[in-house]
Amino acid sequence: DGGITQSPKYLFRKEGQNVTLSCEQNLNHDAMYWYRQDPGQGLRLIYYSQIVNDFQKGDIAEGYSVSREKKESFPLTVTSAQKNPTAFYLCASSIGADGNSIYFGEGSWLTVV
Amino acid sequence: EDQVTQSPEALRLQEGESSSLNCSYTVSGLRGLFWYRQDPGKGPEFLFTLYSAGEEKEKERLKATLTKKESFLHITAPKPEDSATYLCAVYYTDKLIFGTGTRLQVFP
Repeated sequence: DGGITQSPKYLFRKEGQNVTLSCEQNLNHDAMYWYRQDPGQGLRLIYYSQIVNDFQKGDIAEGYSVSREKKESFPLTVTSAQKNPTAFYLCASSIGADGNSIYFGEGSWLTVV
Repeated sequence: EDQVTQSPEALRLQEGESSSLNCSYTVSGLRGLFWYRQDPGKGPEFLFTLYSAGEEKEKERLKATLTKKESFLHITAPKPEDSATYLCAVYYTDKLIFGTGTRLQVFP
């Protein structure tokens, strides 16, 4: 089945550690995105990529890094510089970068302990 | 300031009690408005895309409409399985903004 796979579903991180969230899609979509969702707030864009080997910062990129070495993969690293990393992280993809028909993965819960 | 506002924040309905969710926006150069359904602990599921005022889309008990300043998601005769958070998002000048959602609960 085509879709977006995020892993792990749940992740606990100690303060000062970097963690990487995986996102893989087999939809042959060019564009991929990472969003953060906090209670009572709308989804906020962290990074997006419209094509392999290229990505742009979103509204809240500080403390995060990404790579796009393959069309199918867009991993997100939450670095120790991110001061409030506990959140629900959503990866998404779309055919183009026009906001239309963005499909989301199931999300990853990150908790700092 | 460009923003997307959804109302109400939460809505409780009896099964079969029709109602509407609102998504109002203050952006210029709208290129698309999207509705999503999100179940707890899951990623949003795409429902509809609307491009221009007057456009309508339907899917089962849901109908989305669009005017120049807002969109409505009408739910006709809802069932308990329609319980979820409904998100809208607005795409304009290469930006996509999400609202905070309406949490819908439908009781039997």
